[in-house]
Amino acid sequence: QSVLTQPPSASGTPGQRVTISCSGGSSNIGSNAVNWYQHIPGTAPKLLIYSTNQWPSGVPDRFSGSKSGTSASLAISGLQSEDEADYYCAAWDDSLNSPVFGGGTKLTVL
Amino acid sequence: QVQLQESGPGLVKPSETLSLTCTVSGGSISSYYWSWIRQPPGKGLEWIGYIYYRGSTNYNPSLKSRVTISVDTSKNQFSLKLNSVTTADAAVYYCARRVGANDAFDIWGQGTMVTVSS
Repeated sequence: QSVLTQPPSASGTPGQRVTISCSGGSSNIGSNAVNWYQHIPGTAPKLLIYSTNQWPSGVPDRFSGSKSGTSASLAISGLQSEDEADYYCAAWDDSLNSPVFGGGTKLTVL
Repeated sequence: QVQLQESGPGLVKPSETLSLTCTVSGGSISSYYWSWIRQPPGKGLEWIGYIYYRGSTNYNPSLKSRVTISVDTSKNQFSLKLNSVTTADAAVYYCARRVGANDAFDIWGQGTMVTVSS
């Protein structure tokens, strides 16, 4: 069981806007920043969003992150076929004194 | 640019020690924290631990009793040892660089699959 909870799957059509949620608690999302990763199986995971809403160099601004209370969201606008991947949220957990991940959301572009 | 590459045996026997090394190329291992993260088949990512280039460590509490992470700055490498492995330790193991105050992992290796079987 992952500490952070994500829906196992999400889908959308090209050009659509999709949102992936990540639910946690007061010791993680409620008090710390959230990072998001994109993972295409067989490749290295890629940092997509850091510090809740910041983009690493090279990541298009079609991807955006936000947080409210103990939940966070990743929004992908202008969905493209290459966005088909697994997406993971992560945050530091003050109680566990370690970073924790969500279980991942498999995004399908229909 | 900085690249990470995991290496080590792909098959470990139950009760034995899993040993992996991550080689950092294109940059120095200094001034960063370096992590191990794993993904069991069909499951999500699990943080194992990290080491600062000067040697201080922090481990996942659930694995702490079995994990040792070490660093060799002269070789630009850091290593993972996980002892007393079981089939539950079978996973793709990734090394990654941690940056910033918010624990972001900005560079990852390709990952290496470790099977636990006799």
